[in-house]
Amino acid sequence: EAGVVQSPRYKIIEKKQPVAFWCNPISGHNTLYWYRQNLGQGPELLIRYENEEAVDDSQLPKDRFSAERLKGVDSTLKIQPAELGDSAVYLCASSLVPGGEYETQYFGPGTRLLVL
Amino acid sequence: AQSVTQLDSQVPVFEEAPVELRCNYSSSVSVYLFWYVQYPNQGLQLLLKYLSGSTLVKGINGFEAEFNKSQTSFHLRKPSVHISDTAEYFCAVRAGGYQKVTFGTGTKLQVIP
Repeated sequence: EAGVVQSPRYKIIEKKQPVAFWCNPISGHNTLYWYRQNLGQGPELLIRYENEEAVDDSQLPKDRFSAERLKGVDSTLKIQPAELGDSAVYLCASSLVPGGEYETQYFGPGTRLLVL
Repeated sequence: AQSVTQLDSQVPVFEEAPVELRCNYSSSVSVYLFWYVQYPNQGLQLLLKYLSGSTLVKGINGFEAEFNKSQTSFHLRKPSVHISDTAEYFCAVRAGGYQKVTFGTGTKLQVIP
């Protein structure tokens, strides 16, 4: 069974440029998460989807970040324009069921972003 | 609100020695607790989780953790580490229902040959 797929794995851009990350969750997983992991820190939730619906985007900086999950499968996370402080690893995760004791999140390898 | 504290940012240990990685949490409600491992340039992989029942939880790769409600701790242990255990370990907590998972800042385990 394929795991969570993310691309690109690495991205270097100049500040003020746009950037986009793509995530393909495990087949059949309805819940999808985007996390940001700063250097030396644990992951922090940006947004959670249940199917196509963003059910928790309270931590997403909406002035420059946007996300979508068309058709409830793949998802993209966009930053426009990028700032120096956006340099981090962006992790995507998926789970079969949302919440509850049976929820287990499976993580992708992440996209490492460097903003110069 | 829930939070997780991992006091040790780095733990060096000799190969075949035992190790304990500490994790303390705070929450006003019952919680689910997790330990994840992250190898260099990889995503997080679930090691083990505590949901309910027995307070001693066994996970993959020979790791185990013990839930201690009175001390609000969920320490991770392994009786004999291998070089391949060198990685960063994250403790995480989630309150019941549909609450988000909160991760600690991680502990880097360095196994010395």
